[in-house]
Formats: sequence, structure tokens, C-alpha cells
Amino acid sequence: GAVVSQHPSRVICKSGTSVKIECRSLDFQATTMFWYRQFPKQSLMLMATSNEGSKATYEQGVEKDKFLINHASLTLSTLTVTSAHPEDSSFYICSARAGAGGQPQHFGDGTRLSIL
Amino acid sequence: EDKVVQSPLSLVVHEGDTVTLNCSYEVTNFRSLLWYKQEKKAPTFLFMLTSSGIEKKSGRLSSILDKKELFSILNITATQTGDSAVYLCAVEEWGETSGSRLTFGEGTQLTVNP
Repeated sequence: GAVVSQHPSRVICKSGTSVKIECRSLDFQATTMFWYRQFPKQSLMLMATSNEGSKATYEQGVEKDKFLINHASLTLSTLTVTSAHPEDSSFYICSARAGAGGQPQHFGDGTRLSIL
Repeated sequence: EDKVVQSPLSLVVHEGDTVTLNCSYEVTNFRSLLWYKQEKKAPTFLFMLTSSGIEKKSGRLSSILDKKELFSILNITATQTGDSAVYLCAVEEWGETSGSRLTFGEGTQLTVNP
């Protein structure tokens, strides 16, 4: 149980392109989904928290117009990196959790984004 | 500033050895502490600890939390090469405006040699 699917797993595209990443909870309803970014040899840094049907809460320093998050249903959240530039290249990971807290977050397999 | 510190950052052992990974934390509104294993891709959940002194066990892995000392350990006995991974410690805290969120440590890179 508690499977989270993230797609695509790898994206390579030109600078200026917008990229959409999907995160789905396959066997549970995710009240809350989280988006993280991970640089090589570093730990996960939380970018934003999204609750189904409401606006995402962004961490300090994360541009909400750059990283658009939509959580339209209890099983799907999307992250769109708008007008991506080389400095946006990173490993993006989503997680999903059932309930408001007291349950572990379960992670997708991540998306490696490379902007040329 | 809230922080989670793991040690050691890197560890190389031989198959069959027992290892202990450490995690200390300072957070404002502690809710739980979680351990994850990260291999090539995303972290997989190992344990969630909320109460002091109660050991959680899964096969050769076990973990315990000390809320007085703000510390947790993850033990792996009879290590195997498949245990090689980065082990992440994360602390869940609760904020009135931000809700529940995880703060991760840097991770311990464990390498188990045959």
C-alpha cells in the first residue's frame, strides 16, 4: 500500500520551456502533497505544501510564479516549472500523505530535470 | 532555527557488521521523527516514532527515540550489501500557519562491502 507515482522520471529540455510534473497517490487519498527539491549530495528541501482544493503554501525563497502547484483532486498534484532555466535543473520529488498529520509521507520516484 | 543533524555523514562497513546511525534535532513544535532509506530514487519509509523509549523493529532494522535528549538512533544488524543507501532522518513539526511539515537531515551514506 501507499504507492505514489511521479511522472515523468526524466526531462531534458531547452531553456525557456515550461515543464509539468505529475504526482499521483495510487492507492490512498492524499489530503496533503508536498514538493521537494534535492541537489546532488544534499538532502531534500521542501518547496511547497499543497492541500486539496486550496492554494499551495510556499517555503521562503521559493517563487510561486515560477513553480506553479495545482492540487485539484485527492489523488493528483502537479508542479509546473515555468520558463525553466539551467539553474532550475535539479531532482524534484513529491510526497503524499493521508490526513492532516500523524501519518508518514510517502514519496514518488522523483523527476530529474535537466535544462540545457 | 529548526535543524536536524545526522551522524556520521558517511560510513563504510563489511557485511555482517552492526551499524548505528544517529539523529539529533532542535525543532519548535515536535510531532514525530521519521527514518527513510534512499537508494537511487526517492526515499522509502522505514519508521515513524512519536513516543520516547519505545523501540520500533522491522527485521534487522530497529529505531528508538529519546524526546528528552532530542535524539534518535537507527540500528541495522547483520548488514547486507543491499543495505547500502542514504538513510535520512526527518522531523515532523506542526505550525499553525504552515501545518505539518518535515525537516530533513543531511543523511548518512552507508556502504556495505561484501
